[in-house]
Amino acid sequence: GQQVMQIPQYQHVQEGEDFTTYCNSSTTLSNIQWYKQRPGGHPVFLIQLVKSGEVKKQKRLTFQFGEAKKNSSLHITATQTTDVGTYFCAGFLYGNKLVFGAGTILRVKS
Amino acid sequence: KAGVTQTPRYLIKTRGQQVTLSCSPISGHRSVSWYQQTPGQGLQFLFEYFSETQRNKGNFPGRFSGRQFSNSRSEMNVSTLELGDSALYLCASSLNGQGSSPLHFGNGTRLTVT
Repeated sequence: GQQVMQIPQYQHVQEGEDFTTYCNSSTTLSNIQWYKQRPGGHPVFLIQLVKSGEVKKQKRLTFQFGEAKKNSSLHITATQTTDVGTYFCAGFLYGNKLVFGAGTILRVKS
Repeated sequence: KAGVTQTPRYLIKTRGQQVTLSCSPISGHRSVSWYQQTPGQGLQFLFEYFSETQRNKGNFPGRFSGRQFSNSRSEMNVSTLELGDSALYLCASSLNGQGSSPLHFGNGTRLTVT
């Protein structure tokens, strides 16, 4: 079936280190969204990428959408304790189906 | 603007019972999607309603059903509950539908089946 794979499943970093999570789809995506879920909370929308090769930045967060629109990444520079949570990508497939990745759990040691 | 409201926050049911969960979307949002979240399975899509019509459906058994009212409020029903139905059920509203515009999630209903 149509899937969006996300790696790594879990990452534990020292505060100040960088962090990256990757998403890969077996099929071409119409667009991709990223969400963050804090422990005990609900997913919160971060950004949507639509164009091939698109790069967007939000302060220390950099989001990329691959040229083939099959992969995406979220990179956090110099992590802080406030970055703790689970990061989900969600790929929108042609045919109106939004498929979430399994999420990457980020823990930050201070 | 008020966010997405889900009720109740917590539910404890026994196997074989049925349950109805409620979701009030952000004012003006016509799409409501439902997701099941469990530690091992992540966010699993149940269904999406748009202007009272089911627009999309995930791979869940027929015990899971939903509906949307003319005011965009939505309900989800699970009949003949099984232990494996224990999960956090999240509702999300969006302006133009999932994928087209951002999803705004509620705090969820945590269902425990004993």
